[in-house]
Amino acid sequence: DAGVIQSPRHEVTEMGQEVTLRCKPISGHNSLFWYRQTMMRGLELLIYFNNNVPIDDSGMPEDRFSAKMPNASFSTLKIQPSEPRDSAVYFCASSVGRPTGELFFGEGSRLTVL
Amino acid sequence: KNEVEQSPQNLTAQEGEFITINCSYSVGISALHWLQQHPGGGIVSLFMLSSGKKKHGRLIATINIQEKHSSLHITASHPRDSAVYICAPSQGGSEKLVFGKGTKLTVNP
Repeated sequence: DAGVIQSPRHEVTEMGQEVTLRCKPISGHNSLFWYRQTMMRGLELLIYFNNNVPIDDSGMPEDRFSAKMPNASFSTLKIQPSEPRDSAVYFCASSVGRPTGELFFGEGSRLTVL
Repeated sequence: KNEVEQSPQNLTAQEGEFITINCSYSVGISALHWLQQHPGGGIVSLFMLSSGKKKHGRLIATINIQEKHSSLHITASHPRDSAVYICAPSQGGSEKLVFGKGTKLTVNP
């Protein structure tokens, strides 16, 4: 398996633009997680899905952020409109799910909002 | 008070030294993960444990559920072990991880 695949690896955009980050989890994994990493706050969980259903979105900063998982092999994290404070590395991870399984991380999407 | 405390925050060692990184947490957990992140790189899961001890090569992880404490040990450290090590317990009954701020390890040749 190719592992967790994220795209784009790097994104530079201007404030106010829409940003869409994509993630393909490892086949057979039924839990998917979106994390954000910044120097100031470290790693934070934004949202996670189990069997394509959002389980906990309490980490989603505000209404500008939304995440979907239309099927078991694809998820998106959308920011609209983007702001400079959204600049961070966004990681997607997947696991075999409950009970808590080993996490496999994608390489991350580095977002810069100017 | 942070839910997860790691110590030390920074650690410099000479090649070959025995390394210990500590993690204390206040949340009830179902499991605890140790993650490794190389500079500018991705994140790799080293261990997931809910009791006792696990060993993988030169790395050993232990956990004491009653004392809410876990340690990561590296034997015969090597410069390629230089990375940030992150402790992340998963809150009891869920897959939600709470992250420590990480320990930056530098191993000099």
